[in-house]
Amino acid sequence: KAGVTQTPRYLIKTRGQQVTLSCSPISGHRSVSWYQQTPGQGLQFLFEYFSETQRNKGNFPGRFSGRQFSNSRSEMNVSTLELGDSALYLCASSLGGSGTGTSEQYFGPGTRLTVT
Amino acid sequence: AQSVTQPDIHITVSEGASLELRCNYSYGATPYLFWYVQSPGQGLQLLLKYFSGDTLVQGIKGFEAEFKRSQSSFNLRKPSVHWSDAAEYFCAVGARSNYQLIWGAGTKLIIKP
Repeated sequence: KAGVTQTPRYLIKTRGQQVTLSCSPISGHRSVSWYQQTPGQGLQFLFEYFSETQRNKGNFPGRFSGRQFSNSRSEMNVSTLELGDSALYLCASSLGGSGTGTSEQYFGPGTRLTVT
Repeated sequence: AQSVTQPDIHITVSEGASLELRCNYSYGATPYLFWYVQSPGQGLQLLLKYFSGDTLVQGIKGFEAEFKRSQSSFNLRKPSVHWSDAAEYFCAVGARSNYQLIWGAGTKLIIKP
């Protein structure tokens, strides 16, 4: 079974631009969670989608948004990029029916975003 | 408030020595506990999880963890580390019907030859 894939793997953008990251979950998984990972802040939860519905959202500004498609693939978008958005963005999929609090999450390799 | 504390930011261990990584949590509901590992340049991989039952759980790569409710701890152990264990280790806690895990800050494991 193919793992979680994330595209692109690396991205360089300039301040003020916007970016869209993509995540394809493991086949059969309906939950997708997004995380931002930085050396100073660790792993920060962005949002979680299940069957195209956002079930939970972390404490991030509205510039961060996401969506999930009917095939469970998910995208996240960051508008008006700031230097502080430079991070590794991780996507994780799980079966998630009873909530991701009890489900094993399978992580993709991440997208390394650099904002200059 | 729900929280997970990994007190050690870095730990250095000699190859072949034993390892214990600490994790303490504060959680109102019955906790579901996880340990994940992140090797350099990669995503996270589940090492083991505790939901209920035997408080000593075995995971992959020779790791085990013990749940101690009285101490609100879920420490990760390995009897003999290998150079390939050098990575960052994350403890996380969740609960039924929660839609996110609460993550610790991670412990970076350095292996001395």
